[in-house]
Amino acid sequence: DAGVIQSPRHEVTEMGQEVTLRCKPISGHNSLFWYRQTMMRGLELLIYFNNNVPIDDSGMPEDRFSAKMPNASFSTLKIQPSEPRDSAVYFCASSLSVVGTDTQYFGPGTRLTVL
Amino acid sequence: AQKITQTQPGMFVQEKEAVTLDCTYDTSDPSYGLFWYKQPSSGEMIFLIYQGSYDQQNATEGRYSLNFQKARKSANLVISASQLGDSAMYFCAISPERSQGNLIFGKGTKLSVKP
Repeated sequence: DAGVIQSPRHEVTEMGQEVTLRCKPISGHNSLFWYRQTMMRGLELLIYFNNNVPIDDSGMPEDRFSAKMPNASFSTLKIQPSEPRDSAVYFCASSLSVVGTDTQYFGPGTRLTVL
Repeated sequence: AQKITQTQPGMFVQEKEAVTLDCTYDTSDPSYGLFWYKQPSSGEMIFLIYQGSYDQQNATEGRYSLNFQKARKSANLVISASQLGDSAMYFCAISPERSQGNLIFGKGTKLSVKP
């Protein structure tokens, strides 16, 4: 069975450029989560969707970040304009539902470096 | 609010021996899930094991087992017969059932398996 798929796996860009990260959740999963991992702050939840609808985006650091889920099999996280402090590993995860006891399965992550 | 504490930043274990990774948690919710994830140096987050707060028995998955002591609010991960491939970061996480996917992670424990 295919797990969560993320692309690209690595992204190097220059400050000010737009960055788009992509995620395909596990088929049949109704909830999708975007996380960011840094050494300083650990794993942070940025936003999550249920049935393609954004439920909570309180973790999104600022207006430069936006996320969409146009259908059940695709989501994007966009940073525009990017800044060096956005450098991190971005994970997408999916689960059957948003019930807290449902297991979240993570993608391989996208390592973003903003120069 | 939920909190996870992992007090061991780093652990060493000899190959083929068992090791226990500590995790204590704090929550006021009566129903919650506890999760362990493994993050090898390649970066992906791999789900290992789940324990529900109302589960009567400790969870087991192959060489992984969870020593769940609800009264002490601890959920230690036990890895039996350690292998070199077990060397990785291990994260404990909690999510109340009603939290709608708000998975709170600890800071992790780095396990190194020695040959």
